[in-house]
Amino acid sequence: GQNIDQPTEMTATEGAIVQINCTYQTSGFNGLFWYQQHAGEAPTFLSYNVLDGLEEKGRFSSFLSRSKGYSYLLLKELQMKDSASYLCAAMDSNYQLIWGAGTKLIIKP
Amino acid sequence: DVKVTQSSRYLVKRTGEKVFLECVQDMDHENMFWYRQDPGLGLRLIYFSYDVKMKEKGDIPEGYSVSREKKERFSLILESASTNQTSMYLCASSPRVEDSPLHFGNGTRLTVT
Repeated sequence: GQNIDQPTEMTATEGAIVQINCTYQTSGFNGLFWYQQHAGEAPTFLSYNVLDGLEEKGRFSSFLSRSKGYSYLLLKELQMKDSASYLCAAMDSNYQLIWGAGTKLIIKP
Repeated sequence: DVKVTQSSRYLVKRTGEKVFLECVQDMDHENMFWYRQDPGLGLRLIYFSYDVKMKEKGDIPEGYSVSREKKERFSLILESASTNQTSMYLCASSPRVEDSPLHFGNGTRLTVT
């Protein structure tokens, strides 16, 4: 079967760095997406990785290892506004997205 | 900026009612999707559409139908609402299937009593 695993909840301190991991098993692979979702709001796109390696976008970076079925989202210089759920989604060979349940990130001052 | 608009933010319906959820996007995207989001579960795809008048079942189509008469509009229909359809419903659109991100609407929180 196809599935995605990510931690349910993480806590970090303002100004620190946090890494949110995501492991996936899919039938074929056509890339991995990360989305941010604030409570009561729509998910918004953060990053897309299809090749191995690290993609950096300001304070946010995303890493992919296709051989390990593994990705992580790295958030630096955490701000209170980064408190949100982070959704990982892998695209299978049919271009269907398989979604994780999301990681709720709590930032403490 | 792409805008995906869902007609209602909150809806309360009774069991057995027919419910219409409307979604409109303003960026001429080919692809439109309906998901439901429940606590502790990943987004689950109900139906999607790659073109006008075209629809494909997702992972959980039972109890739902869709309509796409115009490119910009994708409607989700609950033929006879049941309490287990109480959920957050998210509409999304994208220009391409392969590698473009989804643009989501703000969601409709539906409660069926």
